[in-house]
Amino acid sequence: GAVVSQHPSWVICKSGTSVKIECRSLDFQATTMFWYRQFPKQSLMLMATSNEGSKATYEQGVEKDKFLINHASLTLSTLTVTSAHPEDSSFYICSATPSTDTQYFGPGTRLTVL
Amino acid sequence: QQQVKQSPQSLIVQKGGISIINCAYENTAFDYFPWYQQFPGKGPALLIAIRPDVSEKKEGRFTISFNKSAKQFSLHIMDSQPGDSATYFCAASTPTDSWGKLQFGAGTQVVVTP
Repeated sequence: GAVVSQHPSWVICKSGTSVKIECRSLDFQATTMFWYRQFPKQSLMLMATSNEGSKATYEQGVEKDKFLINHASLTLSTLTVTSAHPEDSSFYICSATPSTDTQYFGPGTRLTVL
Repeated sequence: QQQVKQSPQSLIVQKGGISIINCAYENTAFDYFPWYQQFPGKGPALLIAIRPDVSEKKEGRFTISFNKSAKQFSLHIMDSQPGDSATYFCAASTPTDSWGKLQFGAGTQVVVTP
């Protein structure tokens, strides 16, 4: 149980284009989902907290207009990187929680912006 | 600044040996302490978690030791196997944090040699 999927697993795009990443909780309802960014050999950096039906809460320093988060249902959250640039290349990971404690992580999405 | 300090940064252990990773925190409001295992190119997977009302929790070869007075907790991997080679992250959260937001340690890269 407690499986979280992400799609796509990797994506390559041209600079200036937008990319959408989906995060789904497959066997539980997640009122809260989190989006992280991870650079090589570093820890996870929380970008935003997403609650179903409400606006996401962004961490300090994260551009909300650049990283659009939508949590339209209890099993789906999306992260859209708008006007992507090479510095946005990273490993993006989502997590979902069926409760206020345990977070279950997706497999991650590798984004490369050319 | 990092609210959870993790050490060592990396660790090499022989097959069959014990891997020990330590974490320390300052915020006494933390009440949930999970450990995650991450393989390269994958999302973190929940390994084991503990709450402050117990001093030790064991699941298979993995044991968490918790010292509330010292504000420290550690992960012990007994009979380490090459398949345990991964990066391990400790984390902590408080009941009042937004929907269980986790504070992560910097991570420990464990290499188990045959």
